[in-house]
Amino acid sequence: ENVLTQSPGTLSLSPGERATLSCRASQSVSSSYLAWYQQKPGQAPRLLIYGASTRATGIPDRFSGSGSGTDFTLTISRLEPEDFAVYYCQQFVGSLWTFGQGTKVEIK
Amino acid sequence: QVQLVQSGGEVKMPGASVKVSCKASGYSFTSYGISWVRQAPGQGLEWMGWISASNGNTRYAQNLQGRVTVTADTSTTTTYMELRSLRSDDTAIYYCARVDVIVAASDSWGQGTLVTVAS
Repeated sequence: ENVLTQSPGTLSLSPGERATLSCRASQSVSSSYLAWYQQKPGQAPRLLIYGASTRATGIPDRFSGSGSGTDFTLTISRLEPEDFAVYYCQQFVGSLWTFGQGTKVEIK
Repeated sequence: QVQLVQSGGEVKMPGASVKVSCKASGYSFTSYGISWVRQAPGQGLEWMGWISASNGNTRYAQNLQGRVTVTADTSTTTTYMELRSLRSDDTAIYYCARVDVIVAASDSWGQGTLVTVAS
């Protein structure tokens, strides 16, 4: 089983700061099949990034994804108040999907 | 617009089964798949399984194999997730999500269905 480990567990930042979230896989993941989601309290997740670096429809360009192999990164260039949420990475390997455990981005 | 509308909340006894529905509209149903994802209170997302709406092929998470079944009715564009032998740790919000099979990502989600397992 390919495990996704996200770090840090919690990121405490101020609006306007840059956020860098990490997602590490225990085995190599095709970049085509690495996605990032945002979830706010009481809401369903929302797709932000697919294919490791492609923004989903309507996602602002302050969100960017990068990485390959086993190391992937989600970067939020300048945090807006609405960006404080939990972020999950997801992989598709061997016809199965798995999620990382999530990173909470909270207001400092 | 794309919509996934799920059935209402359920309360079940331990050992019972639950069947949650997900009605899709606003897109070509057989051009996408549907995944089911659950979230226990205060916890992260757990992928449960998926179905290809075009051919009915399914895959399930190993830890749920044998207890979960996902089906799809193309005539009503509705997908169903049945979970059997319920335990208290199955208490969670259950989401359906449309899967773009080209990029294997879920770009639209249902509103979630709370399933509570309690005696």
